[in-house]
Amino acid sequence: DGGITQSPKYLFRKEGQNVTLSCEQNLNHDAMYWYRQDPGQGLRLIYYSQIVNDFQKGDIAEGYSVSREKKESFPLTVTSAQKNPTAFYLCASSGTGTGEEKLFFGSGTQLSVL
Amino acid sequence: GENVEQHPSTLSVQEGDSAVIKCTYSDSASNYFPWYKQELGKRPQLIIDIRSNVGEKKDQRIAVTLNKTAKHFSLHITETQPEDSAVYFCAAPDSWGKLQFGAGTQVVVTP
Repeated sequence: DGGITQSPKYLFRKEGQNVTLSCEQNLNHDAMYWYRQDPGQGLRLIYYSQIVNDFQKGDIAEGYSVSREKKESFPLTVTSAQKNPTAFYLCASSGTGTGEEKLFFGSGTQLSVL
Repeated sequence: GENVEQHPSTLSVQEGDSAVIKCTYSDSASNYFPWYKQELGKRPQLIIDIRSNVGEKKDQRIAVTLNKTAKHFSLHITETQPEDSAVYFCAAPDSWGKLQFGAGTQVVVTP
């Protein structure tokens, strides 16, 4: 089950707290993505990055931030501005980010609010 | 932008029967249509994909058909087995190259 690793598996956030979800890949992929999964709503794109030191907002970026300082790593921070953060978060990667290639997903992080 | 709609949201089938899931998309420029399967508690995994230069693609018990004129594509699972129970997602890329996913179909195969 190597390739793309997310941690932690479960995370709890207190009111007003920022939390960071980790995503690491050893597939030498250029593109990395963060998706949010809510029941009955499919996968919604939060942020994506096609190259180191560059990233773009997805469909639901408000209340989230990312960085891409290394090719292998794409951490997601859920800020206190995200008022409804409880969800399952999936990180993914692909070779070049054309949108016409296989996505490799991590095993996900379940974030809950205390 | 691309809008992908998926039906039905839940599908219950008897073991051995066939299952069909349908998706429609809005961007006529889309040329790539993947299907992902997510078993309970696991990560989504690509099971089959089709590009716009073909109308049908098969891989053992699963097949995908594409109708570009009508802008819809379907997943067909034949001879369903309990291990086919999962959530299935269709997707299509928008004009910026980002995949837009359907809302998912929960498939339950009953013995």
